Amino acid sequence: SSELTQDPAVSVALGQTIRITCQGDSLRNYYASWYQQRPGQAPTPVIYNRNNRPSGIPARFSGSSSGTTATLTITGAQAEDEADYYCASRDNTGGHLEVFGPGTTVTIL
Amino acid sequence: QVQLQESGPGLVKPSQTLSLTCTVSGDSISSGSYYWSWIRQPAGKRPEWIGRIYISGTTDYNPSLKSRVAMSIDASKNQFYLNLTSVTAADTATYYCARVTYSSSVLYRDWGRGILVTVSS
Repeated sequence: SSELTQDPAVSVALGQTIRITCQGDSLRNYYASWYQQRPGQAPTPVIYNRNNRPSGIPARFSGSSSGTTATLTITGAQAEDEADYYCASRDNTGGHLEVFGPGTTVTIL
Repeated sequence: QVQLQESGPGLVKPSQTLSLTCTVSGDSISSGSYYWSWIRQPAGKRPEWIGRIYISGTTDYNPSLKSRVAMSIDASKNQFYLNLTSVTAADTATYYCARVTYSSSVLYRDWGRGILVTVSS
C-alpha cells in the first residue's frame, strides 16, 4: 500500500522537543519529505532526503528514518512552529504515484 | 528566486472542465532540471498529488484522477496547465502548482500561493 499515516495532533511546551512520525510501506524504498503549513498558506518544505534542510530552514528541524517510519524532530520548539506538518513520499510499485500523509497539527503551549 | 502563480476561474459548474494555468518566473521551465506538478487540497484535508509534467511533455497522473486529467506545458510562455474534466463538488479545493525535484525523496521545492476553485451551480 502507498498510504502514509501520521498521528493527528501533538502538543508541547515552548522549548521542548517535538517528534512527528510518518509510517508507510513506500518509506522502505524512498525517504519522506516534510512540509510545514500555516493557516492560509501554501506548504513549505522543511526536510527532504532523510535529513536535508532547504535553505532558510532553522537547524532545530531534523529528520530520520528507519524501516517504514520517518520522523521529523523539532528540537527546542518555538511559537512560530505551530502549524500542520505533512509527510510526502513517492511509490513506484504500481506506476508513478506520490502521496501525502494526513498531517499532524502541532500546538505549542 | 523562482515564483509560481496559479490563475483561472474560481468557480466552475458541475460537469464542466476546470482549467488552470501556472506561470513560472525566475526560472526557465525548459531548463530540464525540474518537474512541474499540480497538487490540490480540500479545506481541512491533506494535499493530494494530481500529476506532474516534464518539459518533454511526459506526464504522470494520480490513478484516482487519470481518466479526467490532462496537463500540458508551453515553454515559450513559461507556463504549464491543468485540465480536469467532469468536475463535481468533490473537486472543490485549493489548487497549487509546484516545482519538483526527485532524488532519495520527492521534494516539492517551490509552491504557488494556491487558487481556490469551487464547484457549484
